[in-house]
Amino acid sequence: EAGVVQSPRYKIIEKKQPVAFWCNPISGHNTLYWYRQNLGQGPELLIRYENEEAVDDSQLPKDRFSAERLKGVDSTLKIQPAELGDSAVYLCASSQIAGGPLVDTQYFGPGTRLTVL
Amino acid sequence: AQSVTQLDSQVPVFEEAPVELRCNYSSSVSVYLFWYVQYPNQGLQLLLKYLSGSTLVKGINGFEAEFNKSQTSFHLRKPSVHISDTAEYFCAVKEGGFKTIFGAGTRLFVKA
Repeated sequence: EAGVVQSPRYKIIEKKQPVAFWCNPISGHNTLYWYRQNLGQGPELLIRYENEEAVDDSQLPKDRFSAERLKGVDSTLKIQPAELGDSAVYLCASSQIAGGPLVDTQYFGPGTRLTVL
Repeated sequence: AQSVTQLDSQVPVFEEAPVELRCNYSSSVSVYLFWYVQYPNQGLQLLLKYLSGSTLVKGINGFEAEFNKSQTSFHLRKPSVHISDTAEYFCAVKEGGFKTIFGAGTRLFVKA
């Protein structure tokens, strides 16, 4: 079974430029998460999708961040314009809530390391 | 509000020695607890989780953790570590809703 796929793995941009990250979850997983992991810290949730609906985006900085999950499969996270403080690893995870939402296991992709200069 | 504290940012240990990575959480309700491992340049991988039942949980790679409700702790242990266990370990808690809160991580460094 293929894992969660993310691209690109690394991205270096100058501040004020736009950037986009792509995630392909595990086949059959209806829940998709985007996390941001700052250096030396644990992941912090940005947005969670149930199929194509964003059910928790309370931590997404909506002035510059946007996300979409068309057809409830792949997802794209965009930052426009990027700021120096956006440098981090952006992780995508997916899960299949077969046993209920509290017991689902999240499977993480390798992440995209963003550096904003 | 829930929070997770990993008491040690780094833990150096010699190969074949036992190790304990400490995790404390704060929550006013029942919680579900997790330990994840992150190898360099990789995503997080679930080691083990506590949902209910026995307070001693066994996971992959020989790791185990014990849930202590009175001390609000979920410490991770391994009786004998290998070089390949060198990685970042994250404790996480989920309560009520669907959001999982992660600790800041503990870097385990196994020396030969």
